[in-house]
Amino acid sequence: QVQLQESGPRLVKTSETLPLTCTVSGGSISSDAYYWAWIRQSPGKGLEWIGNIFYNGNTYYNPSLQGRVVISLGTSKKDFSLQLRSVTATDTAVYFCARVARDCYGGSCSYDAFDIWGQGTKVTVSP
Amino acid sequence: SYELTQTSSVSVSPGQTASITCSGDDLAHKYVWWYQQKPGRSPVLVIYQDSRRPSGIPDRISASNSGITATLTISGTQAVDEADYYCQAWDGSTAVFGGGTKLTVL
Repeated sequence: QVQLQESGPRLVKTSETLPLTCTVSGGSISSDAYYWAWIRQSPGKGLEWIGNIFYNGNTYYNPSLQGRVVISLGTSKKDFSLQLRSVTATDTAVYFCARVARDCYGGSCSYDAFDIWGQGTKVTVSP
Repeated sequence: SYELTQTSSVSVSPGQTASITCSGDDLAHKYVWWYQQKPGRSPVLVIYQDSRRPSGIPDRISASNSGITATLTISGTQAVDEADYYCQAWDGSTAVFGGGTKLTVL
């Protein structure tokens, strides 16, 4: 059974870089059957997709965060990371990592569900 | 940018039917997914590809997509169904979530 676990600092200073890692257990990220994603939720707010990464390193980012965000694969094939640069108080949120299924049929594939989520990690940005 | 719009809150009495709607442009050409999130917990997938239920999701939870509005329906609502519900779609390679609907079981 695949499980995801986020890790990283709980407190980040304004203007610095927020670094988080998602460790995948019970499976590997080296599969073309899935994308791997970061999603966040500001206090009392809804879900905001940050971006996805594929096993070959291809990345896709939320246009609203483009330029500040980098998602990368770990060397162990068991983790992937998020780096969010130049953070402000508005980046305070619970950050989730998740698996994105792919729906493939007849040689064509499309995005499917965020089918497995980590428990989330709360990150506070402070002066 | 693409947007999905949900009613912010819905209230229902136990045993009654709750309907949660999600509207957006061009839904006729998109699938919609639905997630349930309880306080302090991660979201859980309850509906995929408009109307399919993952294993383990009770059949009192159902959904449809008319092409104009996607609707999540909970029949015989129970206290355990009280949660926030989010619709989600893909706009190209971008995932978009609705703002969420808080379902209160009175």
